[in-house]
Amino acid sequence: EVHLLESGGGLVQPGGSLRLSCAASGFNFSNFALTWVRQAPGKGLEWVSTVSGTGGSTYYADSVKGRFTISRDNSKNILYLQMNSLRADDTAVYYCARAFWTGSPRNALGVWGQGTTVTVSS
Amino acid sequence: IVLTQSPGTLSLSPGESATLSCRASQSVDNNFLAWYQQKPGQVPKLLIYGASNRATGIPDRFSGSGSGTDFTLAISRLEPEDFAVYYCQQYGSSPYTFGQGTKLEIK
Repeated sequence: EVHLLESGGGLVQPGGSLRLSCAASGFNFSNFALTWVRQAPGKGLEWVSTVSGTGGSTYYADSVKGRFTISRDNSKNILYLQMNSLRADDTAVYYCARAFWTGSPRNALGVWGQGTTVTVSS
Repeated sequence: IVLTQSPGTLSLSPGESATLSCRASQSVDNNFLAWYQQKPGQVPKLLIYGASNRATGIPDRFSGSGSGTDFTLAISRLEPEDFAVYYCQQYGSSPYTFGQGTKLEIK
């Protein structure tokens, strides 16, 4: 069974840093692009970042570019999101999601984790 | 690309049909447009990809159509479990944006 499990969320002060992880199982990890999507409390979905299967191509929303870094360790089947210079408006549930089919990062999101909550507050 | 969904809220009764709209600010490459359903307290679920292809296990009551800048999700014979929030997303060109969502509520 395909499974994604996020971790690393928590309470952090404005300007602080946090690293999220997403452990994957049940599929050939390196064959699929992976994405982080966030959802602020009571709000809609916001695409954050996508990384290709090899890790060689990365894509970011303007709202996080220069502050967040997506990466993956294909030997450990783990996706990461390093978040620096955090702001109050980064407060959200962060979901990792797997591409629907193998190959291209230009892909629908077919499998979602349960999410991890990030709260940025003093 | 900015995606604008309408209406913001749609109030219908079980058994009726729903039509949800997603309009893009510019043409979506290859019609790479997906629809997701999110119920309260649950993670989003992929319904439609490539504008008109149902994902695995999605009933044929759900259908997607459209191309270029105008896309539609149609749901026929609404079931109680269909009442949820629906999001469109374009993945044709980065940033892979979502629409703001349409809430389908029971009338």
